[in-house]
Amino acid sequence: GENVEQHPSTLSVQEGDSAVIKCTYSDSASNYFPWYKQELGKGPQLIIDIRSNVGEKKDQRIAVTLNKTAKHFSLHITETQPEDSAVYFCAATYFNFNKFYFGSGTKLNVKP
Amino acid sequence: GAGVSQSPSNKVTEKGKDVELRCDPISGHTALYWYRQSLGQGLEFLIYFQGNSAPDKSGLPSDRFSAERTGGSVSTLTIQRTQQEDSAVYLCASSPTTDANEKLFFGSGTQLSVL
Repeated sequence: GENVEQHPSTLSVQEGDSAVIKCTYSDSASNYFPWYKQELGKGPQLIIDIRSNVGEKKDQRIAVTLNKTAKHFSLHITETQPEDSAVYFCAATYFNFNKFYFGSGTKLNVKP
Repeated sequence: GAGVSQSPSNKVTEKGKDVELRCDPISGHTALYWYRQSLGQGLEFLIYFQGNSAPDKSGLPSDRFSAERTGGSVSTLTIQRTQQEDSAVYLCASSPTTDANEKLFFGSGTQLSVL
């Protein structure tokens, strides 16, 4: 089955700096890669996703890049703000397979 | 509209007791998932429902765990003879269709503590 690894496990940045979280996956059949944000006491919420036919996707201060050859994808947050502080999870799955494989999470702390 | 609702939000139980965790998905959502989140760990897949049937039960850790879904809506995750290693946050998620590329809508979870 798929194995998703996520790094780093914790990340501390100064407000206004950029943050990058990286994930690798093992199954070359995976073709859908969502990112979820989990705030304290809440369930994870989808913030951005990318499909394997695209190399990069942006949504305001958030971007995701995908390298299919190397089997890794990354989340980039620019101009970080204190409200970005949360745990971020990457995930991978493939079409018609109803199971998402999640990474172990990255706790992001944005210091004001 | 209402999101995914889970109850109870917190459950403390004694080792050996049975517990039931409930999930109310978003109305009309076909797919329903249960995940387990242990302290400092990622999300561990437990079981998936498509309507009332569970095509994939491969994530259930042992035969002490079972789940059902009735009326294509509410789901119950039951853990029998709880053990301390069952302590975790149990998350439920639903999605509109069975397309694996669909966005998951998560509830806030049930924090289970087994003493």
